[in-house]
Amino acid sequence: EIVLTQSPGTLSLSPGERATLSCRASQSVSSSYLAWYQQKPGQAPRLLIYGASTRATGIPDRFSGSGSGTDFTLTISRLEPEDFAVYYCQQYGSSLWTFGQGTKVEIK
Amino acid sequence: QLQLQESGPGLVKPSETLSLTCSVSGGSFSSSSHYWGWIRQPPGKGLEWIGSIFYTGSTYYNPSLKRRVTMSEDTSKNQFSLKLTSVTAADTAVYYCARTGTPSGVAFDIWGQGTMVTVSS
Repeated sequence: EIVLTQSPGTLSLSPGERATLSCRASQSVSSSYLAWYQQKPGQAPRLLIYGASTRATGIPDRFSGSGSGTDFTLTISRLEPEDFAVYYCQQYGSSLWTFGQGTKVEIK
Repeated sequence: QLQLQESGPGLVKPSETLSLTCSVSGGSFSSSSHYWGWIRQPPGKGLEWIGSIFYTGSTYYNPSLKRRVTMSEDTSKNQFSLKLTSVTAADTAVYYCARTGTPSGVAFDIWGQGTMVTVSS
């Protein structure tokens, strides 16, 4: 079973700053099967990125994903007030899905 | 537009069976190439995948829960269901149903709003 480790646990930034979130897998993950989600309090997660780098429908272009193998990154180029939330990476492999533990992006 | 809605008891006693249903509207459960999944989130914690069912009926479960989980489908009602046996307080969580999409592949692009289930006597 592949374990996803996200870092940092919490990221304290100001609006307008750049956010870089990391997701490291315990084994190589197909890029086609790596996704990122955003979750705000009291809401269901929302798909941001799939296939490691493809934005889901309606996702602003300030969100970008990159990486391959065991190291993946979600970048928010300029934080907007609505971007402060928890972000999860997720992978699929061998008919199993796993999520990382999440990174909270909070207002500094 | 496809929507998902979870339903079921909000309170379950320890050692009993948790049963939830996800109703699909605005589309068909039997549409090809989709996985339909259950994901849960204990209060203040992260997301945990419970299991998925393919439109063909094939099921896939989290190894840590496999012994207690059963997922099934009812295509006539456009629903799929989750049963989790022998629950404990550790099973208290918000339970979400979700669907993988096209072209997102195996990423869950549509989610229900979630339903809180508390395990307590």
